[in-house]
Amino acid sequence: GAVVSQHPSRVICKSGTSVKIECRSLDFQATTMFWYRQFPKQSLMLMATSNEGSKATYEQGVEKDKFLINHASLTLSTLTVTSAHPEDSSFYICSASFRNQPQHFGDGTRLSIL
Amino acid sequence: DAKTTQPTSMDCAEGRAANLPCNHSTISGNEYVYWYRQIHSQGPQYIIHGLKNNETNEMASLIITEDRKSSTLILPHATLRDTAVYYCIVPNFGNEKLTFGTGTRLTIIP
Repeated sequence: GAVVSQHPSRVICKSGTSVKIECRSLDFQATTMFWYRQFPKQSLMLMATSNEGSKATYEQGVEKDKFLINHASLTLSTLTVTSAHPEDSSFYICSASFRNQPQHFGDGTRLSIL
Repeated sequence: DAKTTQPTSMDCAEGRAANLPCNHSTISGNEYVYWYRQIHSQGPQYIIHGLKNNETNEMASLIITEDRKSSTLILPHATLRDTAVYYCIVPNFGNEKLTFGTGTRLTIIP
């Protein structure tokens, strides 16, 4: 089945640091990748949608300068949380899809900002 | 997305069939029903999807009513590893975005 790998699985860093999270589709070419965020005891919230080679589309209320998304190839997308602060601590999850096939998700990255 | 309604929680005995209902009365004729589940501290896992015919795969069966206003996900022989939050999602036609509601927290009881 379709496999999406996300790295790292956990990050702990100091306030003000920028953190990069990678999302890779291992056995298929992802025409679209999605980034979600999940706070404790809440459901997943879509942050942005990215298509290979084009700028990401951000959901309302998500700061594009804060959450930089790069989708340079059909198998890799990155999310960079710039100048992270404690309120950015969350569970970040990516997903990937190919031409309207079901999305497949990574295992998430738990980000803790001290 | 077409709004979906699911029970907040359900219990099921291990080894029995788990039947998870979902109402989607505003679904359009060309919109699919997707089911995902999220085991604690993991990313969601795709289970199954369908349009109007019943579907079955190695994980589950999906029964969609004839009027398509509701569906049931069936896990035929539930195990403890099936304990998770199950999400029923109906994306807008032509839109790949998934909107996750609160889902059903399914607990499998030994």
